[in-house]
Amino acid sequence: SAVISQKPSRDICQRGTSLTIQCQVDSQVTMMFWYRQQPGQSLTLIATANQGSEATYESGFVIDKFPISRPNLTFSTLTVSNMSPEDSSIYLCSAYSSYEQYFGPGTRLTVT
Amino acid sequence: KQEVTQIPAALSVPEGENLVLNCSFTDSAIYNLQWFRQDPGKGLTSLLLIQSSQREQTSGRLNASLDKSSGRSTLYIAASQPGDSATYLCAVRLWGATNKLIFGTGTLLAVQP
Repeated sequence: SAVISQKPSRDICQRGTSLTIQCQVDSQVTMMFWYRQQPGQSLTLIATANQGSEATYESGFVIDKFPISRPNLTFSTLTVSNMSPEDSSIYLCSAYSSYEQYFGPGTRLTVT
Repeated sequence: KQEVTQIPAALSVPEGENLVLNCSFTDSAIYNLQWFRQDPGKGLTSLLLIQSSQREQTSGRLNASLDKSSGRSTLYIAASQPGDSATYLCAVRLWGATNKLIFGTGTLLAVQP
C-alpha cells in the first residue's frame, strides 16, 4: 500500500495568484496523478506526473495553467496558476501501486 | 468513450439494513475496477479492488462483484451502520490505458441510527 500526504490541506487565495500543492508518498511509486473534484462532482484526471519528464495532460488541461513537477519517485507538486473562482475545487494527489490506486487527503482550494 | 454510471445517486436507509450499490460501465474491456469511499471534504479510501479475471472480492461486511459481459459491478454492504455514511465511488481502469482511472458519478449513502 501507499500512504499519501498533501500540503496545504486547504487555502483561500485571491484571483490572479498561484498556489503550489505538494504531494509526498511514503514509498517509491511508478505512477503519480493529479485529480480535481469540483463541488458536487466526481473526480476528473488533470494529468499524469512523470518522473524526469514533462507531465501528460488530459484534454482540457494545459501546462501553463497547471504546471506539474515530479523530481523523484515519491514527490510531486501541482501549481494552479492565475487562479479564478472557477478553480475552486478539491485537488487530489494519487499514486498507483500494486494494481491499486491510492489517494491523498486532498487540498481544498477556494478562490475569491 | 468509457462512461461509468452509479445508481442510485443517493440512498438513505435505517441502521442494520443490507444494501446494494450499483455501478455500470459502457466498455467491457476493463483491466480492473475499484470501489472507494469518500467522507465529506476528505480524500478517497480504497475499499475493494477486482481484477478483470475475478468475479468478486470480500472485505468484512463489504462484497463487490463484477460482471464484465453486462458491464456491471455491485457493492453489497451487510448490516449497515451510521459510520458507513459517505459517498461511494466506483472507478474502472481500461486495458491499453492502465494509467487512467475513470470514475463513476457516486452514490451518497446515509445510514440513519
